[in-house]
Amino acid sequence: GENVEQHPSTLSVQEGDSAVIKCTYSDSASNYFPWYKQELGKRPQLIIDIRSNVGEKKDQRIAVTLNKTAKHFSLHITETQPEDSAVYFCAARAPGDNRLAFGKGNQVVVIP
Amino acid sequence: NAGVMQNPRHLVRRRGQEARLRCSPMKGHSHVYWYRQLPEEGLKFMVYLQKENIIDESGMPKERFSAEFPKEGPSILRIQQVVRGDSAAYFCASSATGSSGNTIYFGEGSWLTVV
Repeated sequence: GENVEQHPSTLSVQEGDSAVIKCTYSDSASNYFPWYKQELGKRPQLIIDIRSNVGEKKDQRIAVTLNKTAKHFSLHITETQPEDSAVYFCAARAPGDNRLAFGKGNQVVVIP
Repeated sequence: NAGVMQNPRHLVRRRGQEARLRCSPMKGHSHVYWYRQLPEEGLKFMVYLQKENIIDESGMPKERFSAEFPKEGPSILRIQQVVRGDSAAYFCASSATGSSGNTIYFGEGSWLTVV
């Protein structure tokens, strides 16, 4: 099955700087890649997703890029704010697969 | 439009007791997924159900765990004879269809503590 890995496990950034989290996946057939944000004790919340027919998608301060050849996708957060501090999970799903395969998560800490 | 509703939010059980976790999908959604999250770990798929059918239970432990999604009422994840290792957050999610590109929305989770 699909295997998703995230790097780095923890990322600290100064408020206002950018944060980049990278994920790699193993199944070249995977075609759906969402990112979830989880604050302590709360549910994972979808923040952005990308499908394999596009290479980049933006939503205000958040963007996701996809490199199908290298089988990796990245989350970019610009102008970080303290409320961006959370654990971010990437996931991948292949056609015909019933599950999202999640990475282990990245703890992002935005230092005021 | 209510999101995915889970209850109870927090549940404490003694070793050997049973835990029942309930999930009502988003309005209009008929596909339900259960995931387990151990402390400081990612989300692990357990089971995928549609109304009255278990589609994929490949992530479920072979013993003590069962799930259902009846024609009427919420989906239920049942854990019999709980052990300390079952302590985790159990998240239910739903989607409108089962296709790979369909967005999956999570509930607030049920935190099980086994003492």
